[in-house]
Amino acid sequence: SQQGEEDPQALSIQEGENATMNCSYKTSINNLQWYRQNSGRGLVHLILIRSNEREKHSGRLRVTLDTSKKSSSLLITASRAADTASYFCATAPYNNNDMRFGAGTRLTVKP
Amino acid sequence: EAGVTQFPSHSVIEKGQTVTLRCDPISGHDNLYWYRRVMGKEIKFLLHFVKESKQDESGMPNNRFLAERTGGTYSTLKVQPAELEDSGVYFCASSQLANHETQYFGPGTRLLVL
Repeated sequence: SQQGEEDPQALSIQEGENATMNCSYKTSINNLQWYRQNSGRGLVHLILIRSNEREKHSGRLRVTLDTSKKSSSLLITASRAADTASYFCATAPYNNNDMRFGAGTRLTVKP
Repeated sequence: EAGVTQFPSHSVIEKGQTVTLRCDPISGHDNLYWYRRVMGKEIKFLLHFVKESKQDESGMPNNRFLAERTGGTYSTLKVQPAELEDSGVYFCASSQLANHETQYFGPGTRLLVL
C-alpha cells in the first residue's frame, strides 16, 4: 500500500499567502520528512520530524506531526514565487531503512 | 562539498535496448539508495546499498534491473532489456548513516523508453 499520501494534489495561491499541505500515512514510523522538487531538478530535503516530536520550525516552514492520526502538515508562510515546486512527504518505517513517498503536492505561487 | 551526482541527466532509448545509469554519492556516505518515479505516480524505493553490499533490494521491480556498487563508491543501475513501463525518473540518494538519517538526493535521470 502507498505510504505518505499528500493532499491536495495541487495548490495555487498568491504570493504572500500561506500554503498548507497535508500528508497521511498508514504504518508506524520512525520519522517523517518533507522534500521539495523544483521542475526538472532533484529532491531537496526540507525538514525532518521524529515520531516523538509534534512540531518543528525551519525559517518559513512549520511542520506538525500527529502520530495518533498518522498525519503531518507542512505550512509555508508568506509564500514567494520561488516556492513554486512539488512537495513530497516521505516516511521512514521502523522496520527498515528505506523511505516511502507520496505522489506529492504541486504548489504554484503566483507573483 | 559536491552533492550527489547522476549521469546521464536524460536518456532516450528504444524498447529492448540496454541503459546504464550512474550515481556518485556524497564522498564518505556509505549508504546509497535508488528510487524511481514513474510518470504521475509516487516515488518508489528500489534498493539500498551499505558500502558495496545490497542491504535491501525489495523494491527492485524484476530481474531486468541490476544494481551494482563495486568498491562501495559509485553505483550503477542497469536496465536490460528496457520496456516501455520503465520510463520515469530514477533518483539516487546517499546518507552517511542509515537508521533513517536524512538522505541527500541527486538530480535524477529521466529515462524515456520508446
